[in-house]
Amino acid sequence: AQKITQTQPGMFVQEKEAVTLDCTYDTSDQSYGLFWYKQPSSGEMIFLIYQGSYDEQNATEGRYSLNFQKARKSANLVISASQLGDSAMYFCAMREFGTNTNAGKSTFGDGTTLTVKP
Amino acid sequence: NAGVTQTPKFRVLKTGQSMTLLCAQDMNHEYMYWYRQDPGMGLRLIHYSVGEGTTAKGEVPDGYNVSRLKKQNFLLGLESAAPSQTSVYFCASSSLRGRSSYNEQFFGPGTRLTVL
Repeated sequence: AQKITQTQPGMFVQEKEAVTLDCTYDTSDQSYGLFWYKQPSSGEMIFLIYQGSYDEQNATEGRYSLNFQKARKSANLVISASQLGDSAMYFCAMREFGTNTNAGKSTFGDGTTLTVKP
Repeated sequence: NAGVTQTPKFRVLKTGQSMTLLCAQDMNHEYMYWYRQDPGMGLRLIHYSVGEGTTAKGEVPDGYNVSRLKKQNFLLGLESAAPSQTSVYFCASSSLRGRSSYNEQFFGPGTRLTVL
């Protein structure tokens, strides 16, 4: 069964510093995608970055990068040069792309609340 | 494009009442999802659909039913509401373009439901 684990309920980071948010996952599917979303206090869900299971290079999107270690089943989000506006809840999610009965099913972790200090 | 819209935005029910939440998307997406988010928690998948006329159970399907009669609409029904169903409900949709970032989910603004 799909499972996403985010072990850090809350994290603090000083403005302009980098921070890593942890995510580990479990799946029996060989083809899957890993996603990170941001949820500010206003409640909307904002897509940040994607990593495919067959992608050989780590994904990057501006200040966001994904440290993908397939053998360890981890997909940590790295935010560089933190800004006050980065304060939010961050969710790691996984979606299986294979042909099994769970294809298309999506699972989210419990999230990490990031607070950026000025 | 409106993206993903949800109706209603807020609702208060009494225990035992029924209601239907409507989700609509105008992006021609194949996949649609219903999640619930309890305070301070992550999103839990209730039901999802991989195409018109098909639905599947997620992690927490009990007490909910869904239908996808049209590709652009995904309805979530509560037949007999219970206080444990007090939550924020999010609908999402996504395309299927192979193994790519285009599979990101687009979320609606959420429906805040309170069951007294």
